Amino acid sequence: QQQVKQSPQSLIVQKGGIPIINCAYENTAFDYFPWYQQFPGKGPALLIAIRPDVSEKKEGRFTISFNKSAKQFSLHIMDSQPGDSATYFCAASMGGYQKVTFGTGTKLQVIP
Amino acid sequence: NAGVTQTPKFRILKIGQSMTLQCTQDMNHNYMYWYRQDPGMGLKLIYYSVGAGITDKGEVPNGYNVSRSTTEDFPLRLELAAPSQTSVYFCASTPGGQGSYEQYFGPGTRLTVT
Repeated sequence: QQQVKQSPQSLIVQKGGIPIINCAYENTAFDYFPWYQQFPGKGPALLIAIRPDVSEKKEGRFTISFNKSAKQFSLHIMDSQPGDSATYFCAASMGGYQKVTFGTGTKLQVIP
Repeated sequence: NAGVTQTPKFRILKIGQSMTLQCTQDMNHNYMYWYRQDPGMGLKLIYYSVGAGITDKGEVPNGYNVSRSTTEDFPLRLELAAPSQTSVYFCASTPGGQGSYEQYFGPGTRLTVT
């Protein structure tokens, strides 16, 4: 019940394309859903996060879509750039500060 | 602010040796976490702490110990290192209280046990 399933494992898109990364969860008690971005050799950094009372959140070129009934959420990257090439992790937690469950990560490559 | 700092950056251990991974944050955050990251497996929570003197197990605590004597420091101890503990270890912190739940990660420690 604590799992967060993430797909795809890897993704290659052309510059300007819209990569979409999907996550699904089982525990309906989760109430905070962040996405983290990680560059090689660095620690993850928060990209954008959503709570289950909204269906969509945008920050710049990054959008989270949230479907509470399906227990799924996804990250869309508009007008993707080579600098977006990184590994992306979805996550979920109850109450935010306690145990955070991460997905297995998606390695994104944006080619010029 | 230096944020979350971790030492060492790299370490090679022999099977059976022990070591302590250091983690320090200068943001006065209450909550601190230790994760391990293995290829294709995401981040797994080892231990976390909600404040000085309070720690709790995460998903994969076996073979590790932690302590939290101050707000700033959260060291991770490996006793009797095993090849299965070869991984990249990340420390993170969150302020707690009302507001953002953002976790601030350190740069990681790459550990190899041979």
